[in-house]
Amino acid sequence: GENVEQHPSTLSVQEGDSAVIKCTYSDSASNYFPWYKQELGKRPQLIIDIRSNVGEKKDQRIAVTLNKTAKHFSLHITETQPEDSAVYFCAASLGSSNTGKLIFGQGTTLQVKP
Amino acid sequence: GAVVSQHPSRVICKSGTSVKIECRSLDFQATTMFWYRQFPKQSLMLMATSNEGSKATYEQGVEKDKFLINHASLTLSTLTVTSAHPEDSSFYICSAPGTGAHEKLFFGSGTQLSVL
Repeated sequence: GENVEQHPSTLSVQEGDSAVIKCTYSDSASNYFPWYKQELGKRPQLIIDIRSNVGEKKDQRIAVTLNKTAKHFSLHITETQPEDSAVYFCAASLGSSNTGKLIFGQGTTLQVKP
Repeated sequence: GAVVSQHPSRVICKSGTSVKIECRSLDFQATTMFWYRQFPKQSLMLMATSNEGSKATYEQGVEKDKFLINHASLTLSTLTVTSAHPEDSSFYICSAPGTGAHEKLFFGSGTQLSVL
């Protein structure tokens, strides 16, 4: 079946440094790629997303890049803060985004040290 | 943004009992809802798609007789874990596509199920 691979599984950075999380997907029909942040025991929160007709999107300290040819997409967090510590999940739409179905990566536990 | 409410947040039950989890879209209508399962420190695994007014569609490997889904109205979907066993203990979370941008999923707060 289709899958999404996410790396690294854990990431520790110093406050103020940048953090990068990378994902690859297998479904060539995927056209929607969201990123979610999940704190322990809580619901995933959408932090940024990108559609396949765009190569890059930025929202303040967060940016996402997409290489559709290589089926790679990445999350970039600049000037990290302790409150950025959480588990981050990438996801790709299963087929076109019209189905609403998402396949999630394995998650990355980000720790930002003060 | 769209709000999805999920209840209960936590349930502890004895082995063999059934547990019902409710998922409601509070300020929008959802003809489709998705149910996910998440084990500790693992990813969200799609279990099934709940369709208003019709049968749910289940992902491969998910027992439909074990996990009963009902989507009786445009704002409510329920997941019933029947004859629960300890291996069913997990974090169950629902989601619904928001209005407008259909692909954006909004998640409920999740239900932590512990089967003794």
